[in-house]
Amino acid sequence: AIQLTQSPSSLSASVGDRVTISCRASQGIRDDLGWYQQKPGTAPKLLIYAASTLQSGVPSRFSGSGSGTDFTLTISRLQPEDFATYYCLQDHNYPWTFGQGTKVEIK
Amino acid sequence: QVQLVQSGAEVKKPGSSVRVSCEASGSTLKYYAVTWVRQAPGQGLEWMGGIIPLSGTANYAEHFQGRVSITTDESATTAYMELSSLRSEDTGLYYCARSSIVRGEKYYFYGMDVWGQGTTVIVSS
Repeated sequence: AIQLTQSPSSLSASVGDRVTISCRASQGIRDDLGWYQQKPGTAPKLLIYAASTLQSGVPSRFSGSGSGTDFTLTISRLQPEDFATYYCLQDHNYPWTFGQGTKVEIK
Repeated sequence: QVQLVQSGAEVKKPGSSVRVSCEASGSTLKYYAVTWVRQAPGQGLEWMGGIIPLSGTANYAEHFQGRVSITTDESATTAYMELSSLRSEDTGLYYCARSSIVRGEKYYFYGMDVWGQGTTVIVSS
């Protein structure tokens, strides 16, 4: 199975900061990667699919990049509602796999 | 607006089975992929498996092989996830989710954009 390694596992940031989260795949997955945001007690929310396509309704401060094995989620200016846990997911091959998550906390 | 409505919380004994349903209110799942995701208490997201009703093919995570079965009803309005031989480690929150798909040389997916509300399964003697 393809393994996804996210880094960091957690980070502290302030409102207005630029935040970058990395996701590395154990083998090439083209651009078959999505990013999800999860807040406590709620279902995950799709932010980005196909590595860089912004899901409808998601603020433009979120962006995704990468292809092959290295991917990045960037939040350009962190807002109070962005404090959450973020997961990458590869849907290139079965079994699909999630990264272990990155918790973004308030500094 | 399409919603995925999951069945209610379950409390099960070790060794038993549980079946969780996921109904697409006002729509069909026929032209989508349906995925099941588990989240153990305080843990991350775990992909369990998925089905593409158009093809009738289901795929499962190795971790659950032989214990999980994902199906849909004939109209593909409702998807089901059945997990057998339950143990305490299966306690958690179970989500279904829908992905748009495109058929090319294989199926391509466009992210899980609609999620169910989650179903809590507690396994306890």
